[in-house]
Amino acid sequence: AQTVTQSQPEMSVQEAETVTLSCTYDTSESDYYLFWYKQPPSRQMILVIRQEAYKQQNATENRFSVNFQKAAKSFSLKISDSQLGDAAMYFCAYGSGGATNKLIFGTGTLLAVQP
Amino acid sequence: DAGITQSPRHKVTETGTPVTLRCHQTENHRYMYWYRQDPGHGLRLIHYSYGVKDTDKGEVSDGYSVSRSKTEDFLLTLESATSSQTSVYFCATGGSTNTGELFFGEGSRLTVL
Repeated sequence: AQTVTQSQPEMSVQEAETVTLSCTYDTSESDYYLFWYKQPPSRQMILVIRQEAYKQQNATENRFSVNFQKAAKSFSLKISDSQLGDAAMYFCAYGSGGATNKLIFGTGTLLAVQP
Repeated sequence: DAGITQSPRHKVTETGTPVTLRCHQTENHRYMYWYRQDPGHGLRLIHYSYGVKDTDKGEVSDGYSVSRSKTEDFLLTLESATSSQTSVYFCATGGSTNTGELFFGEGSRLTVL
């Protein structure tokens, strides 16, 4: 069975600085998706970034980028120029697509942004 | 954004009572899911549906049942609520396996006393 591990329950970053959130996963599949979702205090789950495993190029969305290491099964999220609005819980998720399209989530990393 | 609404958004109930949470979507997505979120556990899949009347169990399905009689509605029922089912419940939908992305509702906070 696939698993997703986020080993940092909490992180803190100064405004305008860069922070990296870690995620590792375990799977025997070769084709899959990886995601980072953001959950602010409003509780809404917001997709931050997505990576297809077959793509070697790391995904980037404005200030958010990932470091995808397929062989190491690592998928970290880098937030550049951190803003107060980035404060949230961040979840890493694995999806195999396929017939069920289920996502498996990590336990989350709570990010605090200090002014 | 996918139009996904959950009801009720907040509910307090007593142990042993039945509870039904409703998820309604307007995007005609094929796949629908119920997750629960608990501190230290992230989001865990309870049940999911891959079409009308087609449902299957997730990793934490004990004590829960689901039904999907229409594409747009997915109901989660707690037959006899227990305190361990106090949680925040999220409905999610997915339209295509090509992207893998799920769209989430706003969550329903359930407290079982």
